[in-house]
Amino acid sequence: DIQLTQSPSILSASVGDRVTITCRASQDILSLLAWYQQKPPQAPRLLIYSGSFLQTGVPPRFSGSQSGTDFTLSISSLQPEDSAIYYCQILDNNPFKYLFGQGTRLQI
Amino acid sequence: EVQLLESGGGLVQPGGSMKLSCAASGFTFNNYAMSWVRLPPGRGLEWVSSINAYGKTTYYADSVKGRFTISRDNSKNIIYLQMASLRDGDTAIYYCTKDKSPGAFDVWGPGTRVAVSS
Repeated sequence: DIQLTQSPSILSASVGDRVTITCRASQDILSLLAWYQQKPPQAPRLLIYSGSFLQTGVPPRFSGSQSGTDFTLSISSLQPEDSAIYYCQILDNNPFKYLFGQGTRLQI
Repeated sequence: EVQLLESGGGLVQPGGSMKLSCAASGFTFNNYAMSWVRLPPGRGLEWVSSINAYGKTTYYADSVKGRFTISRDNSKNIIYLQMASLRDGDTAIYYCTKDKSPGAFDVWGPGTRVAVSS
């Protein structure tokens, strides 16, 4: 089974900073990785899909990239409203299941 | 507007059963796979189950396999999650999601709380 490791678990930054969150897959997952933002008690919101594609309506300061089995979510020009928990997520087809990373709490 | 709205949550005793519903609107429901994802208190998101567009193929997380059943009624634009033999570990907010191929969830309902406790 594929393992998904997300880091860091907590991240503190200031308004205007650029931050990165990483997810590492234990096997090749092509580019089937998505990123979500959750502001409790709201439902999660899709930010990035297929590794690097920005979901409609998401500000372009959010971006996703891939290097081998390492995936990165970058947020530039941090805004106060970016305080949230961020999750990565993959689809494992063997056997079929979705996996979420452990989550990263971003404190602005 | 694309919307999902869950219902049916509440308090249930260990070993009990509960059925969640999710009403969809604003998109062609029978074109999309749908899923349930949960958020246990103090923990991260956990995928529960998925069903394909036609309702013929279903998938379950190991933690719920044999206890939960996902289904859908494409004539009513509703999906269901029948939960049985509930355990303390099933306590969570349950979200209904619309699947965005390949491999993501692009629409989420507001969630419904399920508490398993005696």
